[in-house]
Amino acid sequence: QVQLQESGPGLVKPSQTLSLTCTVSGGSISSGGYYWSWIRQHPGKGLEWIGYIYYSGSTYYNPSLKSRVTISVDTSKNQFSLKLSSVTAADTAVYYCARRILTGSFDYWGQGTLVTVSS
Amino acid sequence: EIVLTQSPDFQSVTPKEKVTITCRASQSIGSSLHWYQQKPDQSPKLLIKYASQSISGVPSRFSGSGSGTDFTLTINSLEAEDAATYYCHQSSSLPHPTFGGGTKVEIK
Repeated sequence: QVQLQESGPGLVKPSQTLSLTCTVSGGSISSGGYYWSWIRQHPGKGLEWIGYIYYSGSTYYNPSLKSRVTISVDTSKNQFSLKLSSVTAADTAVYYCARRILTGSFDYWGQGTLVTVSS
Repeated sequence: EIVLTQSPDFQSVTPKEKVTITCRASQSIGSSLHWYQQKPDQSPKLLIKYASQSISGVPSRFSGSGSGTDFTLTINSLEAEDAATYYCHQSSSLPHPTFGGGTKVEIK
């Protein structure tokens, strides 16, 4: 059973960089066949795709966030990470990591982590 | 960007009633449409993939149909544990997926 777990600071100051890591267990990121994804959900709102990475390092980002987002992968640790720069209060959200089948659905999700942007 | 429009936004339903949620795409997406259930304070859970394919472990009262631009999630004989928000998601537009706005189902 694949499991994903987000980790990182729950509070980030405005203008700083939000950094989160997703640790994958029960399956190898290096096995291929999946995009390793970040999705966020603003309080009381819907789901917003941030971006994803393939094990090879290829990345795809939401155009609306592209200038501020970096997703990286560490296959040796079976982890992938999100960095979102120049954050504002509008970036306050629950951040989820998830596994996406290449042309299909998000089949496994982490429990999510709330990140609040505040001074 | 492919826009997904869900309706209704909210539905209050009596147990054992049938629930129908629709998702309309702004352009044809074939069968590349997936449904998720999100209960309060939980992460989304995959319910249906590729419009109508069932997922192991998901109760059989959940079913999906549709293709092209119009899709439906049906919950037959609603149970109290089905109180949740339901989202559709399209994977036709690579690499940029989009989600519907969600439909909240409340139990009367």
